[in-house]
Amino acid sequence: AQTVTQSQPEMSVQEAETVTLSCTYDTSENNYYLFWYKQPPSRQMILVIRQEAYKQQNATENRFSVNFQKAAKSFSLKISDSQLGDTAMYFCAFMTDFGNEKLTFGTGTRLTIIP
Amino acid sequence: DAMVIQNPRYQVTQFGKPVTLSCSQTLNHNVMYWYQQKSSQAPKLLFHYYDKDFNNEADTPDNFQSRRPNTSFCFLDIRSPGLGDAAMYLCATGHGKNIQYFGAGTRLSVL
Repeated sequence: AQTVTQSQPEMSVQEAETVTLSCTYDTSENNYYLFWYKQPPSRQMILVIRQEAYKQQNATENRFSVNFQKAAKSFSLKISDSQLGDTAMYFCAFMTDFGNEKLTFGTGTRLTIIP
Repeated sequence: DAMVIQNPRYQVTQFGKPVTLSCSQTLNHNVMYWYQQKSSQAPKLLFHYYDKDFNNEADTPDNFQSRRPNTSFCFLDIRSPGLGDAAMYLCATGHGKNIQYFGAGTRLSVL
């Protein structure tokens, strides 16, 4: 079974600064998918970024980028030029490449951007 | 334009009184999921449908059931809600090994 670990329950950073959220996972598979989802207070969860394990290049989406280290089973999220709207719960998630299409979530990191 | 719509947003029920939560989607995705999320915790998958095929998680209580009458709609039935079932219930849709789209959730309170 796969597990996803987020070791930072809470983080805070000043607006406009850069912050990195950590995620590690455990799997015996070679091909899989990794995601970061954002859940703002009282709002729906949305995808921030997605990485396919067979791609060596780190995914980027505007101010959001990942550092994917497959050998270390590490998948951190970097948020540059943080904005107040980035305040949210961030979940790291894993999906296998075969069989069912289920997400395994980490326990989340609550990120607060301070004005 | 909401693509995954959950109704109601807030539901209050009494201990032991059956309740149904609904989810609809405009994405025509073949997979629909129901998650339970308790305060400050990760979403926990209860079950999912792959088209009409129902897939129950091993640790989902029998108290929870689901129906999917067509591609667009999916329902979560809680037969006899207990205090421990108070939570946010999230519906999501998916298509392939890709993004899941979440609804805004239904917050269930049990009195």
